[in-house]
Amino acid sequence: GNSVTQMEGPVTLSEEAFLTINCTYTATGYPSLFWYVQYPGEGLQLLLKATKADDKGSNKGFEATYRKETTSFHLEKGSVQVSDSAVYFCALIKAAGNKLTFGGGTRVLVKP
Amino acid sequence: DVKVTQSSRYLVKRTGEKVFLECVQDMDHENMFWYRQDPGLGLRLIYFSYDVKMKEKGDIPEGYSVSREKKERFSLILESASTNQTSMYLCASSYITAFEEKLFFGSGTQLSVL
Repeated sequence: GNSVTQMEGPVTLSEEAFLTINCTYTATGYPSLFWYVQYPGEGLQLLLKATKADDKGSNKGFEATYRKETTSFHLEKGSVQVSDSAVYFCALIKAAGNKLTFGGGTRVLVKP
Repeated sequence: DVKVTQSSRYLVKRTGEKVFLECVQDMDHENMFWYRQDPGLGLRLIYFSYDVKMKEKGDIPEGYSVSREKKERFSLILESASTNQTSMYLCASSYITAFEEKLFFGSGTQLSVL
C-alpha cells in the first residue's frame, strides 16, 4: 500500500536559518504529492503540491521538488521566521483517487 | 470563503458514552473525510464518504461509525467511547476537477475520554 515517511521532530531553529524536512514515499503509479501545514490551534492548510515528476511546488518561501528517482519530496525554506513554527505534514494521493495518505508530521519551532 | 465547520473545539466524555462529532461544509463537496491525529502517528483516515448515504472504511475504522444523511453534513460516532479514542479529530471535504483536487480541513475537535 501507499505510505509516507517524514523525519521526526521537533526541529528547533533560529530565525533566518535554513529549513529542510525530509519526506519519502512508497506508492504504485504516479501519485500527487503535498505538503500541509498546521499552525497552533488550527486545522491543516495546503502549503504546496506537485503532481508529476520534476515538478516544483512553492508557496510562502517554501519549495519542494517531486523526485521520482529517489521517491522524495523534501520541503525547504531558505530563511525561516518565528511565524513558520507549525507542524508540517507530507502527503500523497494516487491519481484519480481521493484518499490522502499522510506522514507522521514534523513539528518545527523557530526561535527569535 | 471555503468553510468546514466542526461543532466542538473541545469535548470531554466518559468511558462508555456515545459520542457524536459533527462536521458541516458549505462548499457543496461530494467527498468528506474523518481523520484522527495523534503525536508521532500523523493523520490516519477513519472513514470517508463519496456521496450522501455512502461510506467507506478508512485505515482505522474499528470503534467508529459514520452518518451522511445530507450532503453538507458528515457525522462521526463513537458508539461506546474508550480512553484510547482520546485524540484530535479532523474533518475534511474535497472536490476534484479535471485539473486539480483540493482538500479543506476543519479546525479539529480535541476529544478527551476519561
